[in-house]
Amino acid sequence: ETGVTQTPRHLVMGMTNKKSLKCEQHLGHNAMYWYKQSAKKPLELMFVYSLEERVENNSVPSRFSPECPNSSHLFLHLHTLQPEDSALYLCASSQEVLGGYEQYFGPGTRLTVT
Amino acid sequence: GENVEQHPSTLSVQEGDSAVIKCTYSDSASNYFPWYKQELGKGPQLIIDIRSNVGEKKDQRIAVTLNKTAKHFSLHITETQPEDSAVYFCAASLSGSARQLTFGSGTQLTVLP
Repeated sequence: ETGVTQTPRHLVMGMTNKKSLKCEQHLGHNAMYWYKQSAKKPLELMFVYSLEERVENNSVPSRFSPECPNSSHLFLHLHTLQPEDSALYLCASSQEVLGGYEQYFGPGTRLTVT
Repeated sequence: GENVEQHPSTLSVQEGDSAVIKCTYSDSASNYFPWYKQELGKGPQLIIDIRSNVGEKKDQRIAVTLNKTAKHFSLHITETQPEDSAVYFCAASLSGSARQLTFGSGTQLTVLP
């Protein structure tokens, strides 16, 4: 176990549904990330929360909405998704200090949009 | 921005042989290069990393080499074992921050018994 947990592990939702993915880290880190992993493609960074600052990839559609209530919890709210949003969604955390490069990943949520 | 290319996309080796995966990056300012291993049903896990002031780093059967002039770095796995079968990702970090990691597209390594 890496110290980063994600729930649910699998999610099937229709295009009109609203759901949320949850991530929790038990490592005392101060930065958390959402990545999208599609087959045969590089990991795509969606959002970063670091030291209470949010950084986002401008290409992420507004149907994905992150929330970070504290440094240990991260949510990804989903609404009116499209079939092409089906992918593995990975959460990661890191310690944002000088030299704190390593990211620890959770097991991911496998999302299927029908 | 940074662009990382990874080759090959699939690699099969016999148990006991060596495996080499190569990555190139575009931004000469990148200074941190990690390698991640992702097993089925799990998230990526860091296995080794190298910083730009070092040319080679080893950890048991795994080694990484970096050529900053040519802007490429490689992962070497010796004496491969079936449990080495996984997807391997390289990445490069601009500005030395974890939040700036750019990943390659991955290599599916299969070690044949």
